Amino acid sequence: QSALTQPPSASGSPGQSVTISCTGISSDYVSWYQQHPGKAPQLMIYEVSKRPSGVPDRFSGSKSGNTASLTVSGLQADDDADYYCCSPAGSLYVFGTGTKVTVL
Amino acid sequence: HVQLQESGPGLVKPSETLSLTCTVSGVSISSYYWTWIRQPPGKTLEWIGFIHYSGTTNYNPSLKSRVTMSLDTSKNQFSLKLSSVTAADTALYYCASEHNYGQFDYWGQGVLVTVSS
Repeated sequence: QSALTQPPSASGSPGQSVTISCTGISSDYVSWYQQHPGKAPQLMIYEVSKRPSGVPDRFSGSKSGNTASLTVSGLQADDDADYYCCSPAGSLYVFGTGTKVTVL
Repeated sequence: HVQLQESGPGLVKPSETLSLTCTVSGVSISSYYWTWIRQPPGKTLEWIGFIHYSGTTNYNPSLKSRVTMSLDTSKNQFSLKLSSVTAADTALYYCASEHNYGQFDYWGQGVLVTVSS
């Protein structure tokens, strides 16, 4: 099973919004992870659009057809990180190729 | 406060077996599904598989012939064994808890395993 497809990079200035796409989804379950350099991934969104406790509401998720999206609004310096989508595919879970978000 | 901590050798020789343990604190291992995920340097994440306290396992088909996972409820630990390793198995290995369908809530800090002679 190949990785889900994400754009390699995205960027925005502080206060702006950035949206990351994830294509190849074949399930109603999509999660998103943020990873800072040298750190473990952190769950930001699960079940397409739900936020775990402690994740700011600046992070939102959606899905249309076989494409899921993560939007980060009001960009802050700490949002500068890699982001990965994840979804079930048959009997396994597949992660996306990853998107590097740069806060300009 | 849930914490996971991976432990095991950082260097494994080709053709040998990689063995890692994840120690869980703050929650009973009888909850959740317990997962291994790896990340080769500079690459994306790869799901290896999970084990449930009931004994149920599910492995990535691409690794299934080489993977074994186990639980030790008395120590609140779970383990990964990956046999016949090659350089392609060099990666940062993470243990994580799965609440539901790809909802990996808690992660260990990761352990880098290098396969080299």
